Amino acid sequence: EVQLLEFGGGLVQPGGSLRLSCAASGFTFSSYAMSWVRQAPGKGLEWVSFISGSGRNTYYEDSVKGRFTISRDNSKNTLYLQMNSLRAEDTAVYYCAKDSSLTMGSPFDYWGQGTLVTVSS
Amino acid sequence: DIQMTQSPSSLSASVGDRVTITCRASQSISNSLNWYQQKPGKAPKLLIYAASSLQSGVPSRFSGSGSGTDFTLTIGSLQPEDFAIYYCQQSYTTPPTFGGGTKVEIK
Repeated sequence: EVQLLEFGGGLVQPGGSLRLSCAASGFTFSSYAMSWVRQAPGKGLEWVSFISGSGRNTYYEDSVKGRFTISRDNSKNTLYLQMNSLRAEDTAVYYCAKDSSLTMGSPFDYWGQGTLVTVSS
Repeated sequence: DIQMTQSPSSLSASVGDRVTITCRASQSISNSLNWYQQKPGKAPKLLIYAASSLQSGVPSRFSGSGSGTDFTLTIGSLQPEDFAIYYCQQSYTTPPTFGGGTKVEIK
């Protein structure tokens, strides 16, 4: 059974940093790309970042470029999102999502339960 | 970026009703269109991928159609567990983008 468990959310001040983790199990982690998708309170879904199975290729939504860094440790079956220079508009539930293939452009076939990030003073 | 527009934004329906939700892309996306269901406090769940392919384990009352810019999600006979928000998403280009969602409520 595929499981994705996110950790690391919480309350942080504007300008602060936070690192999210997503522990994966139930599939060959290195064989699949992974993404982060967020959802602001009461709003819709917004893709944030993508990383290929090997970790060599990454993509970011424009508003987080230069502030967020996606990475993965295939030996630990874990996905990360380092978030720096956080803004109030980054407040959201962050989901890690498994892409259904190795490459960009595939549906998200499994999602974690989400972790809430609140940016506020 | 490709804009995805869903309609309606909400609808009220009764158990047993046939429900149709539409999604329009701002440019052609071939059949790279996916549908998700999200219940309150839960993560989204993939229902339909590549416009019309049913994800494993999803009931056959869900179906999808369309190509190019216009797509539909149909629930053949609405069940109590189908009351949720439904999102379309294009996976044709980067960034992948979602529609604004359609909330299906009980009449």
